[in-house]
Amino acid sequence: QKEVEQDPGPLSVPEGAIVSLNCTYSNSAFQYFMWYRQYSRKGPELLMYTYSSGNKEDGRFTAQVDKSSKYISLFIRDSQPSDSATYLCAMSFNSGGSNYKLTFGKGTLLTVNP
Amino acid sequence: SAVISQKPSRDICQRGTSLTIQCQVDSQVTMMFWYRQQPGQSLTLIATANQGSEATYESGFVIDKFPISRPNLTFSTLTVSNMSPEDSSIYLCSVTGVETQYFGPGTRLLVL
Repeated sequence: QKEVEQDPGPLSVPEGAIVSLNCTYSNSAFQYFMWYRQYSRKGPELLMYTYSSGNKEDGRFTAQVDKSSKYISLFIRDSQPSDSATYLCAMSFNSGGSNYKLTFGKGTLLTVNP
Repeated sequence: SAVISQKPSRDICQRGTSLTIQCQVDSQVTMMFWYRQQPGQSLTLIATANQGSEATYESGFVIDKFPISRPNLTFSTLTVSNMSPEDSSIYLCSVTGVETQYFGPGTRLLVL
C-alpha cells in the first residue's frame, strides 16, 4: 500500500461546478497537509496548508482534514476554466528540521470547461 | 514566498552523458530539496541539500548517480550522471518557507 493514494482522474467539470478532490493516507504520523496546484509545464504552487484535523477556507477553496479516517479533501466552489490544472496533495510529519520531507500523491488532472 | 529559478528549463541529452541542473533562490535558505517527477508518478524526493554539509539521499537514490552541490545559501546544483532513457523526467528544486516548501519551475529532461 502506497503511503498516499490519490485518484489521478482525469476529472472534467462544467464551469461553476463544485469540485471535490481527495487523498487517503496510511501513516497516522502525518501532521501537516497541503494542496499544491500545478499548471502544465510549471512547478507546483502551494494552495492550502493545514495542520492536524479540521477545515480551512481561502476564497473559493476549502481544505478538510479527517485524521481519524486518514482522509483529506480540497473543495473548489464556482470552478473556473483557470482552475484547470493538476492538483497534488502532500503531507509531512513535521514542518522543519533535519528530517523534513513531503510525501505526495500522484495528482489529479482537473479540466473546467467553459 | 521565495522566488526560485532553474536552469536549463529543458534539455534533450544522449544516453551516457551527464547534465547539471542549477537552482537559484532570491533569498538565503537553510534547506533545499531536489525532487523527480516522472510521468504518472508522484513527486519523489531525491535528496536534501544543506549548506556546509553533504546532501542526504532518500532510499533508491545514490550520490554517484545524482551528485549535489550546495556552495552557499542561495544556490544548489543537481547532476544527473551517466544518463539512460529511464532518467527522462522533470527535476524540481524546492526550499522551505514559512509554512511548507516552495518549488521552482522545473527542468524537463529527455534522454535519448
